[in-house]
Amino acid sequence: SQTIHQWPATLVQPVGSPLSLECTVEGTSNPNLYWYRQAAGRGLQLLFYSVGIGQISSEVPQNLSASRPQDRQFILSSKKLLLSDSGFYLCAWNLGYQETQYFGPGTRLLVL
Amino acid sequence: DAKTTQPPSMDCAEGRAANLPCNHSTISGNEYVYWYRQIHSQGPQYIIHGLKNNETNEMASLIITEDRKSSTLILPHATLRDTAVYYCIVINNNNDMRFGAGTRLTVKP
Repeated sequence: SQTIHQWPATLVQPVGSPLSLECTVEGTSNPNLYWYRQAAGRGLQLLFYSVGIGQISSEVPQNLSASRPQDRQFILSSKKLLLSDSGFYLCAWNLGYQETQYFGPGTRLLVL
Repeated sequence: DAKTTQPPSMDCAEGRAANLPCNHSTISGNEYVYWYRQIHSQGPQYIIHGLKNNETNEMASLIITEDRKSSTLILPHATLRDTAVYYCIVINNNNDMRFGAGTRLTVKP
């Protein structure tokens, strides 16, 4: 069966520091991969999605970036974190645009 | 922007059916209705989805009105573990999932 992992689970970072969040999927090949952010008490906001290695689509302009160095690995990065980057970051996968998305456990980021 | 309207909160007694409504009056013919739930501090969990027929799985039932402008998620025998925020989403492209605020369901003993 397929599983999706995210790490770290929780992260506290100072303003201006870099960020790297990792997401990996097991048990499937060539998944579509997604990064979402959820602010406290709010719905999910799609940040990036990828349909293949090296292919990244950005939904919201910001100081975050995403990369997909391997088929089942998706990385969310920032060179300099802002206070507004705090939130719950979720990775998700599916096998095509008509297919159900499945979410990872999330990473809670607090920028101080 | 989310294309659905849900009540912000609902209560349900343990062991009773929980019926969660969702309005999606602008749904188009090729858009599916999806339901997810999110327990505090966890990722959203897929529950069920449908196009126009009613659907049932081991977790829940989904009732979609004939005009497809609204739907109801039914948890037949709610337990305390079903306390969560429930999201109703309409999409035709799963690359563009937009979650709204959802319904916070509280199951009470």
